[in-house]
Amino acid sequence: DAKTTQPTSMDCAEGRAANLPCNHSTISGNEYVYWYRQIHSQGPQYIIHGLKNNETNEMASLIITEDRKSSTLILPHATLRDTAVYYCIVRGWGKFQFGAGTQVVVTP
Amino acid sequence: EAEVAQSPRYKITEKSQAVAFWCDPISGHATLYWYRQILGQGPELLVQFQDESVVDDSQLPKDRFSAERLKGVDSTLKIQPAELGDSAMYLCASSSALAGGPYEQYFGPGTRLTVT
Repeated sequence: DAKTTQPTSMDCAEGRAANLPCNHSTISGNEYVYWYRQIHSQGPQYIIHGLKNNETNEMASLIITEDRKSSTLILPHATLRDTAVYYCIVRGWGKFQFGAGTQVVVTP
Repeated sequence: EAEVAQSPRYKITEKSQAVAFWCDPISGHATLYWYRQILGQGPELLVQFQDESVVDDSQLPKDRFSAERLKGVDSTLKIQPAELGDSAMYLCASSSALAGGPYEQYFGPGTRLTVT
């Protein structure tokens, strides 16, 4: 499965949109992009996934570029409870492979 | 909302001792996963079950780790003997996926193991 590259950390102001980038330049046609997050001392939580179309649910939006080499997770109105490590994973038929993720800190 | 249950939440043990973790997946989920997460890193898959069968244990240190899911429901992960390097969070997850395709994994709260 393709590897992903994410920034190590980013800050976001409470109430503003948080835009989390992920590069996956070696993604292949059958691989989906998944996002999970992990709040401190808890298990990871599924957020959203997509193949090539943009996706939205009650938690976030996923924007995938037309060439599928990168994506952005958007938290529309960040709250303090969104402070967590966010993992971008590309997976086809194999297992989920978590990298180190992006530590997002939402500040008042 | 159904959740994955794990126990204990915290475990402190001395090196060379045996330790066991228990996981009860979401009801009806055929696939169960055990992950290990070292501080500052993402979770790493140790073993994956489909019902009671192991489908992937390529990263499980089989000289000291064992896992079972005898009736295809709950599962136990054992370490014997524990080593200092085993200190980590052990996470259990489950999904309803049978094979391939897009699916969500639901994670439990994890067991924090400290080996002294």
